[in-house]
Order: sequence, then C-alpha cells, then structure tokens
Amino acid sequence: EIVLTQSPGTLSLSPGERATLSCRASQSVSSSYLAWYQQKPGQAPRLLIYGASSRATGIPDRFSGSGSGTDFTLTISRLEPEDFAVYYCQQYGSWGTFGQGTKVEIK
Amino acid sequence: QVTLKESGPVLVKPTETLTLTCTVSGFSLSNARMGVSWIRQPPGKALEWLAHIFSNDEKSYSTSLKSRLTISKDTSKSQVVLTMTNMDPVDTATYYCARILKTRPVDYWGQGTLVTVSS
Repeated sequence: EIVLTQSPGTLSLSPGERATLSCRASQSVSSSYLAWYQQKPGQAPRLLIYGASSRATGIPDRFSGSGSGTDFTLTISRLEPEDFAVYYCQQYGSWGTFGQGTKVEIK
Repeated sequence: QVTLKESGPVLVKPTETLTLTCTVSGFSLSNARMGVSWIRQPPGKALEWLAHIFSNDEKSYSTSLKSRLTISKDTSKSQVVLTMTNMDPVDTATYYCARILKTRPVDYWGQGTLVTVSS
C-alpha cells in the first residue's frame, strides 16, 4: 500500500504570501494519479487538483500542482483569506490513500 | 445535480456491526466507470480511505481494515452499503460517501455522518 507523507504539518503564512505544500509517496504513483483537496472546518473536502497538475472545475488559477513519480507539490501563488484551511493529497491509482494533511494557518 | 447522502446509526456499541447506506442521485450506479468510495475522518484527524465499488462491481478495500469491511451496491435503489464489523471506540469518525470515476479522484462528496462508538 502506498503511504503518502505531507510536509510541513503546519504552514503559518500571511495573506498574499506564497504557499508550497509537499506530498511524498512511498512508491511511484501510477500515471500521476495524485489529487489535492482543501477542507475547511465542518465541511467535506473539495477537489482542487487531479492528475497531479490539472485544476478541477471552478478552482482559481492561483492553485497549481506539479510533480511526478514520488514527489508532488501544491502551490498557492498568493494566499487569499479563504485559502486558510487543511490540504490533503490522495493517490487514486492504487486504492485511495490520503496523506495526513497540511494546515495552512494565518500568521 | 449530483448528490450523495449517508444514513445510518449515530451511536453504536463496541463489538457491534455498523451498517451505513449511501443514497445517490443525479447519476446512475450502472453508468460505465462510475463508482462510490467510503472515506472516514476521526474528529480532528486526517481522512482515511476505506473502500470503493464501481459499476462493474469491482471492489477494493483498505489493507488495514479489509477483514472488517464489506461494500455492496443496489443499482435499482441507487444505494451503496458499507458494513464494518467489530466496532471499537477508535472507529468514532465522520463517515463520508463520495463519487469517483475510474482513473479519477472524488469529485462529489456527501455531507458526512458522525458515528460514535461507545457503550
């Protein structure tokens, strides 16, 4: 089973700053079947990125994904107030394991 | 409009079996490549994928929970059912059902249902 490790656990930033979140897999993720989700308190997650780099419908272009193989990155170019949340990566090529999450909090 | 709604008990006792039902609308469980996943989230913790089932009845289970889980579907009722045996307090979590497509991640989520395991 593929294990996903996200870093850092918490990212403290100010609105307008750039956020870089990492997701590392214990083995290669087939066909870049890697997704990123955003979750706010009391809500279900929302799909941001699939296929490692494709934005889901309605997702602003300040969100971008990159990477392949075992190393993936989610970048938020300029943080808006509504972007402070928890972010999860998920590989869906072999079952559907999630990372443990990165919390992006206001500094 | 695609919707998914979880239903089931809010409280179960240790050692009991949990049965959750996901009722879907806006898509058919018989459509090619269509599937439903179950995912849970203990309070304040991370998401954990449990199982999924596709329209062709292909199923997969979390390695760590495989012995306790069973997923099935009733296409005529637009329902997917998850059973988890031998419930323990550590299984206390919000349980989500979610739509997936073959080779695609979750695109629609249910609202989730909180299940508490306590005597």
